[in-house]
Amino acid sequence: AQSVAQPEDQVNVAEGNPLTVKCTYSVSGNPYLFWYVQYPNRGLQFLLKYITGDNLVKGSYGFEAEFNKSQTSFHLKKPSALVSDSALYFCAGPQGGGGADGLTFGKGTHLIIQP
Amino acid sequence: EAGVVQSPRYKIIEKKQPVAFWCNPISGHNTLYWYRQNLGQGPELLIRYENEEAVDDSQLPKDRFSAERLKGVDSTLKIQPAELGDSAVYLCASSWPRASEAFFGQGTRLTVV
Repeated sequence: AQSVAQPEDQVNVAEGNPLTVKCTYSVSGNPYLFWYVQYPNRGLQFLLKYITGDNLVKGSYGFEAEFNKSQTSFHLKKPSALVSDSALYFCAGPQGGGGADGLTFGKGTHLIIQP
Repeated sequence: EAGVVQSPRYKIIEKKQPVAFWCNPISGHNTLYWYRQNLGQGPELLIRYENEEAVDDSQLPKDRFSAERLKGVDSTLKIQPAELGDSAVYLCASSWPRASEAFFGQGTRLTVV
């Protein structure tokens, strides 16, 4: 079965420090992987995706993610955290084998950036 | 360009009552999804449409949930009768055909009392 896992419920980072939000996947074939962010009382916003090609994917708001096939990971990173980055982050992968099959989401990681 | 529009934003109903949610996807997006997000969890897919055809409804509780997408544009998700456990945020999303990222609406927060 296709699945993604986010091992951390919460990540605390001081403003200005680098941040990492972890995600591991179990997806057959070539994985399509995504990161979404959710602010309070808002829908999910797409941040970035990995389909194929470069293992380092750049996305919105200065975020990037590194696809690591040997470790089956797709961690979200940012070199310098902002207080406004505080939100709920979801890693997601395809439910089926294709990109438009609908997504299966991790349980989410609360990212808290402390001033 | 307008995003995915959902209404209502909030709905409180008594158990056993019916409820309906409406979604207008991004113009041109043939694929439409309904997700349910329980508190503290990630969204879970309920149903996926390609144009007006429901191509994946395997996770839709069909005894009480129904959905339609007439003319392949707007969609309605209905629950009848609602149960306490249906309290959640119902998210609609849309995407281009065979594209990977989906764009989400703000959701409808349903509270069943």
